[in-house]
Amino acid sequence: GNSVTQMEGPVTLSEEAFLTINCTYTATGYPSLFWYVQYPGEGLQLLLKATKADDKGSNKGFEATYRKETTSFHLEKGSVQVSDSAVYFCALSDSSGGTSYGKLTFGQGTILTVHP
Amino acid sequence: DAGVIQSPRHEVTEMGQEVTLRCKPISGHNSLFWYRQTMMRGLELLIYFNNNVPIDDSGMPEDRFSAKMPNASFSTLKIQPSEPRDSAVYFCASSLSGGGKYNSPLHFGNGTRLTVT
Repeated sequence: GNSVTQMEGPVTLSEEAFLTINCTYTATGYPSLFWYVQYPGEGLQLLLKATKADDKGSNKGFEATYRKETTSFHLEKGSVQVSDSAVYFCALSDSSGGTSYGKLTFGQGTILTVHP
Repeated sequence: DAGVIQSPRHEVTEMGQEVTLRCKPISGHNSLFWYRQTMMRGLELLIYFNNNVPIDDSGMPEDRFSAKMPNASFSTLKIQPSEPRDSAVYFCASSLSGGGKYNSPLHFGNGTRLTVT
């Protein structure tokens, strides 16, 4: 079955540091890939997505590239801010066509803390 | 748009009591998902519906859990009787499922934090 593996956290960085959160996946076919972010006390929000190989998703300074050859979708940001402190989830959608209904498989989440 | 609305935000109850969590999906969305989040297990999919019909309930932990979707704008997740190990944050999410490869991204509510003492 489908699965998503994220780097273990928590990750602690100083403001303006470079961020990488690793994500690898196992899936049949050609899934779409997502990064979601969860701020304290809130639900998950879509951060970015990529629907096919070599696509780059980007939003709010975050980027991730769909790498089919390495089955990876690593999240990067060049300069993090305190306000980026949150939990980040990598996810994939079932690519089995009309039966997926939008169901996502999530990784375990990575806690990011950014200090001033 | 108001987004996915869940109620209550917090629920504290005693072991053995019935608990009902409520969800209003985004208008026009036809798929609805119930997730549970704990520190130990992360985010677990409990059940999901498409066009008000349950599609997969294999994630429901046991018979004490049940979910319904009587119409396109309302769903409930019920736990009866509740136990301390049910303490978690329960999220509802919705999306527009177009069939084939395209589905809109999941939109999550802010969750219900359940504490069973």
